[in-house]
Amino acid sequence: QQQVKQSPQSLIVQKGGISIINCAYENTAFDYFPWYQQFPGKGPALLIAIRPDVSEKKEGRFTISFNKSAKQFSLHIMDSQPGDSATYFCAASMSNAGNMLTFGGGTRLMVKP
Amino acid sequence: NAGVTQTPKFQVLKTGQSMTLQCAQDMNHEYMSWYRQDPGMGLRLIHYSVGAGITDQGEVPNGYNVSRSTTEDFPLRLLSAAPSQTSVYFCASSYWTGAEQYFGPGTRLTVT
Repeated sequence: QQQVKQSPQSLIVQKGGISIINCAYENTAFDYFPWYQQFPGKGPALLIAIRPDVSEKKEGRFTISFNKSAKQFSLHIMDSQPGDSATYFCAASMSNAGNMLTFGGGTRLMVKP
Repeated sequence: NAGVTQTPKFQVLKTGQSMTLQCAQDMNHEYMSWYRQDPGMGLRLIHYSVGAGITDQGEVPNGYNVSRSTTEDFPLRLLSAAPSQTSVYFCASSYWTGAEQYFGPGTRLTVT
């Protein structure tokens, strides 16, 4: 039973376009929502994270949008570049349960030149 | 700093064999964890440790053992390898459980 569901599994975007990856969660006790980026042959690395007291967080071309009532959050990559081609994982954790991360299934993004 | 290192990078085992995946970090992190990554499943927590001498089970602990005798090292032992344990294994560390996790480069394990 996956507590964090991620879609789509794969995504192809043209250079300069917007990449959107969505995640939905079930447990309302989650209070930390990070996104990790993984390049082939490497371990995941933290990209951006949000807590539920804000609805949006932006860092450069990367934005997290958070909808607490819908229990959904999404990653938007503006002006997508070929160098953004990677696998992206959303995750969630609960501070009252040890902060263990629960990951979504991952999205493989390919940005075509 | 080398960060989080894992050895070996690749390993092939026969069913029933045992082995140890090594993980070390030089960032003086208290929290260390092991994940397995399978297609479409994301990363699933196997075992974790909040400090030397303290370990606990994650989501998928069966068939794996861990120990944490030092802050730096957190080895993962496969007791009797099964084909279902074919996966990519990642070790991660952080200052505390809620902080950014730093992942190693992974070990690709195949069990035949």
